[in-house]
Amino acid sequence: QLQLQESGPGLVKPSETLSLTCTVSGGSISSSNYYWGWIRQPPRKGLEWIGSIYYSESTFYNPSLKSRVTISVDTSKNQFSLKLSSVTAADAALYYCARGDKGGYTYGGPLSYWGQGTLVTVSS
Amino acid sequence: QLVLTQSPSASASLGASVKLTCTLSSGHSSYAIAWHQQQPEKGPRYLMNLNSDGSHTKGDGIPNRFSGSSSGAERYLTISSLQSEDEADYYCQTWDTGIQVFGGGTKLTVL
Repeated sequence: QLQLQESGPGLVKPSETLSLTCTVSGGSISSSNYYWGWIRQPPRKGLEWIGSIYYSESTFYNPSLKSRVTISVDTSKNQFSLKLSSVTAADAALYYCARGDKGGYTYGGPLSYWGQGTLVTVSS
Repeated sequence: QLVLTQSPSASASLGASVKLTCTLSSGHSSYAIAWHQQQPEKGPRYLMNLNSDGSHTKGDGIPNRFSGSSSGAERYLTISSLQSEDEADYYCQTWDTGIQVFGGGTKLTVL
């Protein structure tokens, strides 16, 4: 059974860089059939897509966050990572990693497996 | 611009059926979507992929009580024989050339 687990600091200071890692178990991150994404959820709000990375290492980012986001993959560790720079209080949220099924799509597809999420607080 | 619109709330009685709606923005009526369930204090759970012709593929272990259908730009999630654990937030998701979009979510209350 595929499992995804987010990890990283739960507290980040304003203006610093948020760094999270998603460890994938029960499946290979190198498969071309899937893509990998980060999604966040501020307290009491809805889901916001942050970005996605594909087998080809193509990346796509939410235009509202694009200037501050980097997503990368480490196939040797079966992990992918998120970096969000210059954080503010508005970046405090539950951060989820997920796997997407490409199916017949070149890019995109339903997010079919989710991690349990990790809470990030932004405070000095 | 690709946008998904959902009603903020819905309610139905225990044992009854409910139909939730996700509406695609103009010009995007052929797009597939996915439905996700988020129970209180839990992460999202994938329910199904739903195509414009109403065909759908459910995620692992999703009960038969959950079904999907489509009409024009509208995508529906029908939950029959409502149970207390169906009380949750339901989100739709779609994509376009790598960009992902979520609807605002519908909070379902089981009475």
